[in-house]
Amino acid sequence: NAGVTQTPKFQVLKTGQSMTLQCAQDMNHEYMSWYRQDPGMGLRLIHYSVGAGITDQGEVPNGYNVSRSTTEDFPLRLLSAAPSQTSVYFCASSYRGPYDAYNSPLHFGNGTRLTVT
Amino acid sequence: ELKVEQNPLFLSMQEGKNYTIYCNYSTTSDRLYWYRQDPGKSLESLFVLLSNGAVKQEGRLMASLDTKARLSTLHITAAVHDLSATYFCAVDTGNQFYFGTGTSLTVIP
Repeated sequence: NAGVTQTPKFQVLKTGQSMTLQCAQDMNHEYMSWYRQDPGMGLRLIHYSVGAGITDQGEVPNGYNVSRSTTEDFPLRLLSAAPSQTSVYFCASSYRGPYDAYNSPLHFGNGTRLTVT
Repeated sequence: ELKVEQNPLFLSMQEGKNYTIYCNYSTTSDRLYWYRQDPGKSLESLFVLLSNGAVKQEGRLMASLDTKARLSTLHITAAVHDLSATYFCAVDTGNQFYFGTGTSLTVIP
């Protein structure tokens, strides 16, 4: 059982380049999300999805796009990379049940360390 | 906007000592989680607190939740070096999770 798988682990981009961070989960979780982690700022939500075909913005969505065509996959696209997007990115998923009592905490992938020069 | 405040941000403590990390949040929620993160690693779920008065214990760590005070605590008993890590609380509002800024704990031999 792989859980949440993120690729790549490391990436270096030049300013203006685009790329896609991949995230896949095999737990049949409806809820998936992307966070960025910067020193001293905790985790900030970029985008999230409550199911296939549904996405919504989090706290820091600018410069990022997402799509959710399947339950398993939730890729994050950087449209035109900027140095301010240098960060560690985490994908996470959670089970959301019909009642709050069934909801699970977030399960995290291993992260992608992105540097934009 | 929901705010989640942790304190202290940095904690250096000697082995064998006790200490408490606090997590205050600004909205009504009865679901709160604690996570641990080792340097360069991902976040690992420690505790799931689902209702007012919930208390969970695992080894030298004990977490509690007071939803009326909007406060959760993570108590460390007789700290050991292996507990050195960053600890995050996270509030679950149903659609979003809001994280505190983390408490970096260093246990000194």
